[in-house]
Amino acid sequence: ETGVTQTPRHLVMGMTNKKSLKCEQHLGHNAMYWYKQSAKKPLELMFVYNFKEQTENNSVPSRFSPECPNSSHLFLHLHTLQPEDSALYLCASSQGGGSGDEQFFGPGTRLTVL
Amino acid sequence: QQQVKQSPQSLIVQKGGISIINCAYENTAFDYFPWYQQFPGKGPALLIAIRPDVSEKKEGRFTISFNKSAKQFSLHIMDSQPGDSATYFCAASMKNAGNMLTFGGGTRLMVKP
Repeated sequence: ETGVTQTPRHLVMGMTNKKSLKCEQHLGHNAMYWYKQSAKKPLELMFVYNFKEQTENNSVPSRFSPECPNSSHLFLHLHTLQPEDSALYLCASSQGGGSGDEQFFGPGTRLTVL
Repeated sequence: QQQVKQSPQSLIVQKGGISIINCAYENTAFDYFPWYQQFPGKGPALLIAIRPDVSEKKEGRFTISFNKSAKQFSLHIMDSQPGDSATYFCAASMKNAGNMLTFGGGTRLMVKP
């Protein structure tokens, strides 16, 4: 595997379910990101991790819970989501966390909340 | 003010034509302005980027023009090809604010053969 991979690619869940999204980067990077891409809004940064430490939480509701066990893996735990949370969730990584470090994106997980 | 405004939302160009996408920003602390290209079913990929110390950057058929006083920057795609059909996003980030990108709303480009 190369680059940034995300699983699953598609997920349908009910509002009472608990699920997790997984991201893995094979680039040796130290920073990882979660973004939300929905049809009606620009790409929104959700969380940033630098060397496994969370450095940014962009006012994301607590029903989204990130986890970064090491620099290569990032999870997004989901529980009691709302239909408006349906979106494409993108993971990205960069070498460092400084402005201008190119971010490499995964293909995303298409989430549908019923 | 963190917003980056992008226009147009969609654009149709004939093969061989010039595609122009514009972005405007408010926050003068932004110091890095990348453009990302996204094909259906894929994540965005960096296309070209510029810092405000230069007014233009060219890479192949892609050029960024940057107007610091107007707080605007644009992407020009010369000799547009059907393979350029994708969604394009401008973005901006600030020095000393990590690598947090603020994205524009996106432009869906269609290049007709």
